[in-house]
Amino acid sequence: QIQLVQSGPELKKPGESVKISCKASGYTFTDYAMHWVKQAPGKGLKWMGWINTYTGKPTYADDFKGRFVFSLEASASTANLQISNLKNEDTATYFCSRWYFDFWGPGTMVTVSS
Amino acid sequence: DVVLTQTPPTLSATIGQSVSISCRSSQSLLDSDGDTYLNWLLQRPGQSPQLLIYSVSNLESGVPNRFSGSGSETDFTLKISGVEAEDLGVYYCMQATHAPYTFGAGTKLELK
Repeated sequence: QIQLVQSGPELKKPGESVKISCKASGYTFTDYAMHWVKQAPGKGLKWMGWINTYTGKPTYADDFKGRFVFSLEASASTANLQISNLKNEDTATYFCSRWYFDFWGPGTMVTVSS
Repeated sequence: DVVLTQTPPTLSATIGQSVSISCRSSQSLLDSDGDTYLNWLLQRPGQSPQLLIYSVSNLESGVPNRFSGSGSETDFTLKISGVEAEDLGVYYCMQATHAPYTFGAGTKLELK
């Protein structure tokens, strides 16, 4: 069955970096692009962008240009999200979702606190 | 960016009641390829979102047929014909016609 498994929760200090992984199984990884979606505590969903899992080309929404990097380990069917120079407002749950939004990971909670 | 306005923000229902959620878009979601990429998702408490309806009215595999979607261009509706306890949570409409993709603010379905 199709699954997206994400890495565990992270507690970071402002200015640090974090890398979240999303491992896909049950389908051919390179056939479907991957989205990243942010959900701040108690808030709604915000689309961050997507990565072409065949070419590795990322596309970022404007609010996520600069400190956010989407990458792949295609041989491991894994998509990664790296956030550098963390700020308090990066505290959120980050979801990966397959191209058609038909499958979602369970989310990775990132807490940024001094 | 496309703004999706969902109403009502909160919906109280009894089991078995039929309810509707509206989603209005700030611009037409009809794509140049002829499709309209308006989806509905449900996020149950503590869970990740689940796709219910895609392209306005297509029921995602495994989703009960008490869920239905309708609409066109800028005006869309999700209907639940006979609410069940497992339907409680927050419903989001989202559009994937225009980048950046955007979500409505959500409609929380509660038990009355």
